[in-house]
Amino acid sequence: QKEVEQNSGPLSVPEGAIASLNCTYSDRGSQSFFWYRQYSGKSPELIMFIYSNGDKEDGRFTAQLNKASQYVSLLIRDSQPSDSATYLCAVIAGGGADGLTFGKGTHLIIQP
Amino acid sequence: DGGITQSPKYLFRKEGQNVTLSCEQNLNHDAMYWYRQDPGQGLRLIYYSQIVNDFQKGDIAEGYSVSREKKESFPLTVTSAQKNPTAFYLCASSPLGAGPLDTQYFGPGTRLTVL
Repeated sequence: QKEVEQNSGPLSVPEGAIASLNCTYSDRGSQSFFWYRQYSGKSPELIMFIYSNGDKEDGRFTAQLNKASQYVSLLIRDSQPSDSATYLCAVIAGGGADGLTFGKGTHLIIQP
Repeated sequence: DGGITQSPKYLFRKEGQNVTLSCEQNLNHDAMYWYRQDPGQGLRLIYYSQIVNDFQKGDIAEGYSVSREKKESFPLTVTSAQKNPTAFYLCASSPLGAGPLDTQYFGPGTRLTVL
């Protein structure tokens, strides 16, 4: 059974600080990792994806992947109130034929 | 405007009725997916299709049916056999048809409530 685990939160971070969101996965054959942002009542929006070990930066967002530890994280620098949302971690395992496996999401609150 | 559309946005159904949720994309994506999301939960895969006239069951296919007669369209029918159908239904598509480099994009969703 493929599993993706996230702390449900809420995670409360002051405006301007760094928000750190974490995700672990059970399938060691997982190859691709995605972070989606979901506002209440809306559909998920792709933030970033990462395939290789290490860091990947895109604006205020940095994804970090450690396949040996089966761990992926998302850092949000200079957090803004508009970043308040639920962040979903998703994984494609193995050959990818089964689509994405999602975690339950972390609810992030940026305090002004 | 390229994108994924789902209709209706809200849907109310009486117990025992079948309903069909629409999903259309004009992104020329090969693969399409249906997910279900319950409050406070992640997304769970219902069905997916990588090519026209072919589809596969996901983790929670019981009580659902799909068709893929056109590349652009992937309708989902929620049958009366689905015991707890009230949920937020999300359709997604991806360009590569699965595989480790694939990226899925989501439609706006349909919120189904059974009365």
